[in-house]
Amino acid sequence: KNQVEQSPQSLIILEGKNCTLQCNYTVSPFSNLRWYKQDTGRGPVSLTIMTFSENTKSNGRYTATLDADTKQSSLHITASQLSDSASYICVVSVQGAQKLVFGQGTRLTINP
Amino acid sequence: GAVVSQHPSRVICKSGTSVKIECRSLDFQATTMFWYRQFPKQSLMLMATSNEGSKATYEQGVEKDKFLINHASLTLSTLTVTSAHPEDSSFYICSAKQGLAGGVAKNIQYFGAGTRLSVL
Repeated sequence: KNQVEQSPQSLIILEGKNCTLQCNYTVSPFSNLRWYKQDTGRGPVSLTIMTFSENTKSNGRYTATLDADTKQSSLHITASQLSDSASYICVVSVQGAQKLVFGQGTRLTINP
Repeated sequence: GAVVSQHPSRVICKSGTSVKIECRSLDFQATTMFWYRQFPKQSLMLMATSNEGSKATYEQGVEKDKFLINHASLTLSTLTVTSAHPEDSSFYICSAKQGLAGGVAKNIQYFGAGTRLSVL
């Protein structure tokens, strides 16, 4: 069964600190993996997208990694800001299929 | 990146009325659009997939007569919640998948900002 598991469920850190969110998936055949940021009451916004051959991709203070062998991905946020408070969703695309497999998300709270 | 506009962002209606939500791809042609529902603190749940010019494909457990989907053009899909009831109150999100762009197949979904439906 295609699944995406994210950890932790929620995380609270102080402004300026770094953090890393984890994503494990059992999706086959794998097409690509995306990280989205979803503010409360808003739609998801894409942060990064990685294919099988890509190990890391950065978007400003966000850096995503992908290990296709262990089927793990991480999203690292550096120098966190209050505006980083949101849910971060890991989404995996199945090759040849239109549907996406969503993780449950990690709720990140940045405190001043 | 591509822009998907969803309207309205929030709607409050009385029980028994119907509500229409629009999803537009503003700067690309969307061969396929998706409708999701999201409950508080949960991830997105796919309700249906609609391809332009054909009937939508609904996920198991989603009533097609309750949630009417129309994808009449390559830039517009609508979701109509018919005879809405309080249990239909939720956050509805659409996404659009770009077709060919410059001869290259794009398999990326772009999400709208969502519609908060509250049924009284």
